[in-house]
Amino acid sequence: DTGVSQNPRHKITKRGQNVTFRCDPISEHNRLYWYRQTLGQGPEFLTYFQNEAQLEKSRLLSDRFSAERPKGSFSTLEIQRTEQGDSAMYLCASSFEGLAGIEQFFGPGTRLTVL
Amino acid sequence: SQQGEEDPQALSIQEGENATMNCSYKTSINNLQWYRQNSGRGLVHLILIRSNEREKHSGRLRVTLDTSKKSSSLLITASRAADTASYFCATARSGGSYIPTFGRGTSLIVHP
Repeated sequence: DTGVSQNPRHKITKRGQNVTFRCDPISEHNRLYWYRQTLGQGPEFLTYFQNEAQLEKSRLLSDRFSAERPKGSFSTLEIQRTEQGDSAMYLCASSFEGLAGIEQFFGPGTRLTVL
Repeated sequence: SQQGEEDPQALSIQEGENATMNCSYKTSINNLQWYRQNSGRGLVHLILIRSNEREKHSGRLRVTLDTSKKSSSLLITASRAADTASYFCATARSGGSYIPTFGRGTSLIVHP
C-alpha cells in the first residue's frame, strides 16, 4: 500500500500524559499536513511542512503541540500534558507541490481519547 | 475558523435520485475542492475546480463555481448507496499558501 499511513490508529490516554503520533506520507510528496477533526466538523488545519521545514502553524496549535519532520519524510505530532479537549481525530495528509491546486492524500487518522 | 460552509448539513435521498449540495465561502479563492469522507476510507479527494473555471465533470459528479456569489455546488447524479458519506468543500485562498480550508460538511445518506 503506497498511501499515507498513520500510527497508532487509536490512542487512549489519561489527562496530563504526553502522546506522539506518526505519519508516513506518500514517498514522493514533499508537503505534509496535520489536521484535527472533531465530531460533526470538517478538518481544521494545524500545521504543514515542505520537506523538513515547518512553514505554517495554526493558532490552534498551542505550545503543548509540537510537530517535526526531521528528514523530510515521516512526521511526528506530539501533544504534551494532554487535556480532554484534545480528544479528536488527528489527520495527516501529503501532497506534491506544484501549481495552484494541490490535491491532498489523507491518511486514515489517529483517534485520540483523553480520559 | 471555517472558510467554507456546506448546505444542507444533512441530506437523505433514495438510490437513483440526484443529490445536490452547496458550499459558500467568504474570501477570494484560487481553487475549490470537494472531498468525501466515510468511515471505511477516510477523506478522499473528488474534484478540484479553479477560480477561472465555471463547471467541471468527473463521472457522476458535476461541480459548478460562481465566484461572484462565492459559492459552489456538487451534484451527484444517479446516486448509489455507496455514495453515503460526508462531503466537504475546501477552499484555497488567493495569494495564500494553497492550504485547503474545510467546511463542516454535508452528511449524505442514500437509501437502497
